[in-house]
This record gives sequence, C-alpha cells and structure tokens, in this order.
Amino acid sequence: DTGVSQNPRHKITKRGQNVTFRCDPISEHNRLYWYRQTLGQGPEFLTYFQNEAQLEKSRLLSDRFSAERPKGSFSTLEIQRTEQGDSAMYLCASSSLTGTRTDTQYFGPGTRLTVL
Amino acid sequence: AQSVAQPEDQVNVAEGNPLTVKCTYSVSGNPYLFWYVQYPNRGLQFLLKYITGDNLVKGSYGFEAEFNKSQTSFHLKKPSALVSDSALYFCAGRDRSGGSYIPTFGRGTSLIVHP
Repeated sequence: DTGVSQNPRHKITKRGQNVTFRCDPISEHNRLYWYRQTLGQGPEFLTYFQNEAQLEKSRLLSDRFSAERPKGSFSTLEIQRTEQGDSAMYLCASSSLTGTRTDTQYFGPGTRLTVL
Repeated sequence: AQSVAQPEDQVNVAEGNPLTVKCTYSVSGNPYLFWYVQYPNRGLQFLLKYITGDNLVKGSYGFEAEFNKSQTSFHLKKPSALVSDSALYFCAGRDRSGGSYIPTFGRGTSLIVHP
C-alpha cells in the first residue's frame, strides 16, 4: 500500500490556460474521487468513478472541468480556460468496495493550483 | 440534502487535558460518519468512522467519537491531548441508503494544543 499520489503537487498558471492533474489511487481500490478545497472550507465533492465509469459528474463546477479514468486505474482532472477563482487545492481520494475498510476514503496530498 | 456542521472554528486545549471537537449532522436516513485530520500541506488522514453497532467508536492515535442519534452528533474526543494533535479536523457524513457514496464534509475545526 503506497498510498494515493497526485501530480503535480503545485501548479502555477496564467488565466486562460488549460491544466491537467493526475491521481494514482491505491492499487486495489475501485472508487476514485475528486474534491476541491479552498481556504477555510472542507473538501467539496466534484466527481467520482467506480472503476472506469464516472458515476457522478453533475457537481463539476462548470463545463470547463472534466475528469477521466480510462482504464480504471489512474485519473486525470482537466480545467480548461482557467480563471482566478479556480485557485484552490484539488484533492483525490480512493476507496475499496470490499473488506473492512469499505467506504473509507484515503486521500492524496493534493495539487495546489494558483491561477495568476 | 445532507449536511455536516462543525460549530467551532478553533478549539484550544492544554496538553494533557481532554479534548472535544464537535460535529452535528443532518442526513435523511441512517448515517455513515467519519473523522479526518489534516496536517499542514498534507492530505486528509482517516481517523475513524461510525457505520453501525456501538455508539462509541475508537480510532487512530487514541481518538474516539461518540454517535448520538437523538442529538444528531458525532463529537470527536481524546482523554489526554498532545501538542502533536494540533491540526485541522474534519467531520464528514453521508446517508447509508441509496446508491450515492458522496460524503459531505464540515468546514473543519482547528485544534490547538498548548504545551
């Protein structure tokens, strides 16, 4: 169990640019979640996958946000035409469908996005 | 709609004293409830969860939480605080029925343990 990893850890971009973040979940975990966290707030759910299927995406913040998990392993979150309001920490978490830790989400360290 | 409230932005406690971090929830059915801790520049770490059974749940690092259905609360407790417990604590919950696995998080409570 090497934990959930996210890359990059920090991203600074200019307004209007596209950015893509990667999340590698714990290897045996079926579910993968994306959250946004802003200062002074708890994680805000964006979307989640079960294997390669994206089961909930209505809470993605706008149509500029999209996520993929093409082979049911790693996932990417893309933000197109970034705005200053997109500046936040983007968190990824994964969980298992089976075992004693079912439904327990394990979080990665996050990717901090700064939009200038 | 489900919601989780953490009424205190900050809790201060002296090292060695007991600590309590409060959480109340509003979930339409029976809840799954969680506590996570976040250290600076780190992701959230799982502490404990309530699914069913005993109302007192024991978790990592000596923490425990008590599920109180009548008060819709799930307060986090520790008998003797350590300076190293200073961190941001998040309560989360979701309805266990239905097919949604989406938890709602509280705003977080900053715990400061003074030496």
